[in-house]
Amino acid sequence: QVQLGQSGAEVKKPGASVKVSCKASGYTFTGYYIHWVRQAPGQGLEWMGWIDPNSGDTNYAQKFQGRVTMTRDTSISTAYMELTRLTSDDTAVYFCARDQPLGGYDAFDIWGQGTMVTVSS
Amino acid sequence: DIQMTQSPSSLSASVGDRVTITCRAGQNIGIFLNWYQQKPGKAPKLLIYAAFSLQSGVPSRFSGSGSGTDFTLTISSLQPEDFATYYCQQSYSTHSFGQGTKLEIK
Repeated sequence: QVQLGQSGAEVKKPGASVKVSCKASGYTFTGYYIHWVRQAPGQGLEWMGWIDPNSGDTNYAQKFQGRVTMTRDTSISTAYMELTRLTSDDTAVYFCARDQPLGGYDAFDIWGQGTMVTVSS
Repeated sequence: DIQMTQSPSSLSASVGDRVTITCRAGQNIGIFLNWYQQKPGKAPKLLIYAAFSLQSGVPSRFSGSGSGTDFTLTISSLQPEDFATYYCQQSYSTHSFGQGTKLEIK
């Protein structure tokens, strides 16, 4: 079964960093980009960036440049998203999602269950 | 970044109704437009990709249309499980989402 399994909820203090993991199973991890999307409480979806698990290449949304780092460990089919200098505005559910090129058009066909990150003093 | 604007932001409808949600892109994105359904506490689910292609396993009452800057998602006959929030997403230039349309039971 194709799935993405994410790490558990985190509580962090302002100024700290958080690292969320996303483990792929049931497919070839290096064959598909992984994207990260977040959702603040009661709000919409916000795209953060992607990583190519094969090459390690990344592309980040301008809003997060300098604060986000996406990495991967191909030996354990896991992608990571680290966000630094956290503020209360970073309180959100963080999702990873697989990018499936469907007929040449990218779409996110498999999603992780989400990881709640709470930033509070 | 390409701005995506959905309308309406919320919508009340009854089981059996035909419903249309609109998404407008800030520039021409061809057919690089996807639609997702999200239920409370769950991850989004892909419904439509490339503007009008139905994702495998998605009921045929869902359909998408449009190209360029204007797109629509139509549900031909609402079922109880369709009450959720719907998002459009462009994949023409990186990715961005609309603000969502919450579909509620009338």
